Amino acid sequence: GAGVSQSPRYKVAKRGQDVALRCDPISGHVSLFWYQQALGQGPEFLTYFQNEAQLDKSGLPSDRFFAERPEGSVSTLKIQRTQQEDSAVYLCASSLYQDPSSYNEQFFGPGTRLTVL
Amino acid sequence: QKEVEQDPGPLSVPEGAIVSLNCTYSNSAFQYFMWYRQYSRKGPELLMYTYSSGNKEDGRFTAQVDKSSKYISLFIRDSQPSDSATYLCATESNDYKLSFGAGTTVTVRA
Repeated sequence: GAGVSQSPRYKVAKRGQDVALRCDPISGHVSLFWYQQALGQGPEFLTYFQNEAQLDKSGLPSDRFFAERPEGSVSTLKIQRTQQEDSAVYLCASSLYQDPSSYNEQFFGPGTRLTVL
Repeated sequence: QKEVEQDPGPLSVPEGAIVSLNCTYSNSAFQYFMWYRQYSRKGPELLMYTYSSGNKEDGRFTAQVDKSSKYISLFIRDSQPSDSATYLCATESNDYKLSFGAGTTVTVRA
């Protein structure tokens, strides 16, 4: 079956431009996550949705970062006025549900590599 | 201080060798411990997870967790060139938020 897909795979932006990154989770997955992976580092949590509700946005680095999932499926991560330090791979993950009493595997997409010049 | 610290690489081993990867973590509340494999320009994929302390074996891979010392290990036996990748340890907090180590890049030489 289809996994998590992300688009675009690569994005080059000039400093100050706005960008929008899209995530299509696995069909039926309730939970959706965004992570940021800097070069040579592990992914860092950005935000978490359960259906359309954004339950945790504690990892968003600044108010220039905004995420939405209006219909509980596709999600968009938007970065306004991009800065060079925003250059990273942005990973989306989804899981079927979040049951605190059991393990819930997060399935990752291939990521969007953002380069800010 | 990061919640999960991972031994820096890179590691280069000959084919057939045992690969040993290690991490430490700081939060004793963590219950799930994962190892992900990430190939170049791909997303991480789950190799295996362990709940609480103990060992777990899956083919050539063995994961160990020692909660008393907050130590996580992954062993790869009879390593193959196809095992060449970056390996990330991770822990789960708040029932959903993954905390990753920085990753160790492994190269298995044919």
